[in-house]
Amino acid sequence: EAGVVQSPRYKIIEKKQPVAFWCNPISGHNTLYWYLQNLGQGPELLIRYENEEAVDDSQLPKDRFSAERLKGVDSTLKIQPAELGDSAVYLCASSLEGYNSPLHFGNGTRLTVT
Amino acid sequence: DQQVKQNSPSLSVQEGRISILNCDYTNSMFDYFLWYKKYPAEGPTFLISISSIKDKNEDGRFTVFLNKSAKHLSLHIVPSQPGDSAVYFCAAYRNSGSRLTFGEGTQLTVNP
Repeated sequence: EAGVVQSPRYKIIEKKQPVAFWCNPISGHNTLYWYLQNLGQGPELLIRYENEEAVDDSQLPKDRFSAERLKGVDSTLKIQPAELGDSAVYLCASSLEGYNSPLHFGNGTRLTVT
Repeated sequence: DQQVKQNSPSLSVQEGRISILNCDYTNSMFDYFLWYKKYPAEGPTFLISISSIKDKNEDGRFTVFLNKSAKHLSLHIVPSQPGDSAVYFCAAYRNSGSRLTFGEGTQLTVNP
C-alpha cells in the first residue's frame, strides 16, 4: 500500500510570510494527525481528525495555525504569519481508527523560518 | 509536564550484542505503550506495542518489557544489527480519549 504522502519536503520562508503543508493519508484511514517535531524532541500533536471532524485541536495555536480535512481525505495545515519559532518538522500521520491501530507517518516537511 | 521520558539521548552497542532502550512514565492511567523507530529524513515507523495488562511482548529480535510498579518500560533488541541504528521513541496513551504522548527519543548506534 502507498504510504502517507506529504509535500513539500522542505520549505524556507521569511518570518511573517504564510506557508501551507499538504498531506495525503493512506487510503481507508479514517484518522489523520498533524504533529510538530522540534530538534531533539518527540512528536507533539497539533490536531487529530476523525474523518472530516477535528476531535482534538487543543494544542493547535489557533491565532496563527489552521487546518482542514475536506471530504475526510487530504488535509492541509497552514501557518499565517510564520514566526522564527515555527521552524521545525511537521509530520502528518494516519491510522485506520484512532490510536488503537498503529500510526503511519509521512516523511514530514522541514520548515525553516528566517 | 513530560509524562513520558527517555533519559538517555544516545546509546552505542556492538553488532551482535543486546541493545536496551529505556523509558519512564508518570501517568499510571496509560493503557498502551508503543515503540517507534525513526531513520533520518523519514517519519517514525511503528515497531512494537504492549498493553498495560501484560508485562512482555516479543516480535522477532524485539522484546518490550513493562514494569507497571516502577512505571518503566524497556525495548530489548537482540542481536543488534547496524541497520537498527536509528532514533527510538517510546509513546503511551489511555483508551479514554487521551492523545499519544511521545518521549524525547534515544539515538541508537550499532557499530559493525
